[in-house]
Amino acid sequence: SQQGEEDPQALSIQEGENATMNCSYKTSINNLQWYRQNSGRGLVHLILIRSNEREKHSGRLRVTLDTSKKSSSLLITASRAADTASYFCATVPNSGGSNYKLTFGKGTLLTVNP
Amino acid sequence: DVKVTQSSRYLVKRTGEKVFLECVQDMDHENMFWYRQDPGLGLRLIYFSYDVKMKEKGDIPEGYSVSREKKERFSLILESASTNQTSMYLCASSLIRAGKTQYFGPGTRLLVL
Repeated sequence: SQQGEEDPQALSIQEGENATMNCSYKTSINNLQWYRQNSGRGLVHLILIRSNEREKHSGRLRVTLDTSKKSSSLLITASRAADTASYFCATVPNSGGSNYKLTFGKGTLLTVNP
Repeated sequence: DVKVTQSSRYLVKRTGEKVFLECVQDMDHENMFWYRQDPGLGLRLIYFSYDVKMKEKGDIPEGYSVSREKKERFSLILESASTNQTSMYLCASSLIRAGKTQYFGPGTRLLVL
């Protein structure tokens, strides 16, 4: 079953604008990760946020985590055409022997228009 | 630099054929994973391995088997390919510690006719 669910499914913006994608999940997590996938390629890890963290930055990326609402958001500032890709959140559960498995959402397709 | 490679980018096979997809990582990672990715369904875990010769079923193991004879190599086997196994197959690896980042290969797009 899908743990993370991204919202929106698709997002189209102009270059220079900010893009915000959301992820909701159902069960307690150890951490949440965001990945990017360019068309027809493998996934690339962007950022990991632990359950005891609320916000994390990496370059133009800002991730927030609200464990009380079981949700996370990914903000890309000053977007570029090269940011066009699918973005996935993935969660690691907080219990049991499966805490090295990632459960992925279905992704948000971001299109940045020049 | 971290590298995960997959044996083929594109593969066309016929129904009933035995298909081998190979994945190699050069990072000395303990964990290796096979996913399939389909439109509207996202990534689904087929199998993973946490050590040589050790494996565990993922969410959709039916119709697949795996082999891990060496730490750096993880193979996905379709014993008798069917058209519903047409998909994008992604391999990944990670360190043994819980919740670690996964590193993905470029993917193999398999078409079963």
